[in-house]
Amino acid sequence: RKEVEQDPGPFNVPEGATVAFNCTYSNSASQSFFWYRQDCRKEPKLLMSVYSSGNEDGRFTAQLNRASQYISLLIRDSKLSDSATYLCVVTPYGGATNKLIFGTGTLLAVQP
Amino acid sequence: DGGITQSPKYLFRKEGQNVTLSCEQNLNHDAMYWYRQDPGQGLRLIYYSQIVNDFQKGDIAEGYSVSREKKESFPLTVTSAQKNPTAFYLCASSVQGANSPLHFGNGTRLTVT
Repeated sequence: RKEVEQDPGPFNVPEGATVAFNCTYSNSASQSFFWYRQDCRKEPKLLMSVYSSGNEDGRFTAQLNRASQYISLLIRDSKLSDSATYLCVVTPYGGATNKLIFGTGTLLAVQP
Repeated sequence: DGGITQSPKYLFRKEGQNVTLSCEQNLNHDAMYWYRQDPGQGLRLIYYSQIVNDFQKGDIAEGYSVSREKKESFPLTVTSAQKNPTAFYLCASSVQGANSPLHFGNGTRLTVT
């Protein structure tokens, strides 16, 4: 089993739709979690940190489910500009930044 | 504006040649990292440095070398010993401390033929 797993997609959704991605992680001692957005042939950019209590930033909501060992990202009212690959990133116990584990990403394509 | 700058954006080299990728940051971050990204794979750590004049191997350091003579700079050399050097290389930095997110440079796409 991979340490961090994501559905590669693509998720093809119409503008205005709500879409959700999940990311599962294998190590129950994992400490911190992030969602990054990566546009085609560009660098990843931090989208959100994921807190135990869940967090929301505008149209984006991130949730953590420690019991089932997954994090989720919900995007409401999808825009064309949301089209990108969304990377799930997990930090193991201890939070060492040199031990980050990256998922392979989920590709979202928002259609007009 | 603070940020991380990688250069060049695209680099083409012949097999057997060493090549050095530049990474400069003005975020005053202590920690810097080099990753490579290949299609269908997550980012993999090549080298990292948590302080000037010190660096450690990551998961795939073979065929690469780095230096950290200045806080702002962390160049990566891809040597001829690297068996499959064609990839997208990403430099990142972070503040010291656990659970810090990474800030990435714009990447260098290296093609070796």
